[in-house]
Amino acid sequence: RKEVEQDPGPFNVPEGATVAFNCTYSNSASQSFFWYRQDCRKEPKLLMSVYSSGNEDGRFTAQLNRASQYISLLIRDSKLSDSATYLCVVNRDDKIIFGKGTRLHILP
Amino acid sequence: GAVVSQHPSWVICKSGTSVKIECRSLDFQATTMFWYRQFPKQSLMLMATSNEGSKATYEQGVEKDKFLINHASLTLSTLTVTSAHPEDSSFYICSARAGTSGRETQYFGPGTRLLVL
Repeated sequence: RKEVEQDPGPFNVPEGATVAFNCTYSNSASQSFFWYRQDCRKEPKLLMSVYSSGNEDGRFTAQLNRASQYISLLIRDSKLSDSATYLCVVNRDDKIIFGKGTRLHILP
Repeated sequence: GAVVSQHPSWVICKSGTSVKIECRSLDFQATTMFWYRQFPKQSLMLMATSNEGSKATYEQGVEKDKFLINHASLTLSTLTVTSAHPEDSSFYICSARAGTSGRETQYFGPGTRLLVL
């Protein structure tokens, strides 16, 4: 079992819809959590950190459930520009562990 | 956020040549940098962790003699692909951590596309 698991998708979602991604991690010693987005042929860019209390940034909401060891990302009112691969990232000790990413296609 | 640069952004070379890629943290010091490789439609794969002033730590299956890493200063790490072959063609990305302990964030360079003919 991989340490960080994501549904690879693709998720094909109409513009304006709400879409949610989940990510599970297997090591309870994981310390910090992030969502990155990666556009085709580009480097990953930090989207948001994920805190235990949950955090929101505009249309994006991230939540962490330590008891169940999962992280979620919710995108509301999706835009065409949201089409990308979303990477779940977990920091444990000095290691950064990436999920394989979930591909999102927003359809006009 | 913090800025990480990479140079060159793309390289085309003949098989057998060596290629050097630089990764710089522009507005912060990074004692640790990371080198990743990403093949088309695949996920990022960590190749090695570059530690300033000491030897890099390589992931399993990555040849340390083929991928030479030098982290000579707190703002510069280099990856040299020695005797490159077509199968080394890939997207190479470096990253560096910034922030306070417990709230560190990973910032990526823009990547280097390597094509070996």
